[in-house]
Amino acid sequence: DAKTTQPPSMDCAEGRAANLPCNHSTISGNEYVYWYRQIHSQGPQYIIHGLKNNETNEMASLIITEDRKSSTLILPHATLRDTAVYYCIAPNQAGTALIFGKGTTLSVSS
Amino acid sequence: EAQVTQNPRYLITVTGKKLTVTCSQNMNHEYMSWYRQDPGLGLRQIYYSMNVEVTDKGDVPEGYKVSRKEKRNFPLILESPSPNQTSLYFCASSLLGLAGAGEQYFGPGTRLTVT
Repeated sequence: DAKTTQPPSMDCAEGRAANLPCNHSTISGNEYVYWYRQIHSQGPQYIIHGLKNNETNEMASLIITEDRKSSTLILPHATLRDTAVYYCIAPNQAGTALIFGKGTTLSVSS
Repeated sequence: EAQVTQNPRYLITVTGKKLTVTCSQNMNHEYMSWYRQDPGLGLRQIYYSMNVEVTDKGDVPEGYKVSRKEKRNFPLILESPSPNQTSLYFCASSLLGLAGAGEQYFGPGTRLTVT
């Protein structure tokens, strides 16, 4: 199963862009990369996912390197409510489970 | 509103007393799953179901049972709870399986304490 690695924590000033990196060097060519976040102990919330091309939605942008070994989640204008644990995830090989790591704790301050 | 609901949200019980945590989704999703979350261990999958009457074990199935008699419901059953099942439990659903199928919706969580 693909393994992802993320920095344990990051800080960001309110209103600035938050760039969260993720390494997934063992991901295979047809495995998607998903990003979720978890605020306190609430249920994880889907943010975005991608395969090869960069993706953007109303919440964030996802930049995937051409070799697919890493990606960056961009929150363009972070707010205090974006303080959360962010998970970069790949499904297991069978596509039956999300493999959660420890994630990155993002702290947004004013 | 599209959502996954779980009940109860909080439960304190004693060792050996059978309990059921219910999970229901209103999105007509085929795939449903249960995860547990423990400090330092992240979320780990307990069981999943690809469709009605189709269930399979995840990474940590010991001590749990599930059933999928209807598409919308996926209850988690602890026949004889033990203290090591004290955890935060999440139910999730998605339209299809996870290999590129898009987002998975998570419920609000059930905090279970077994004494």
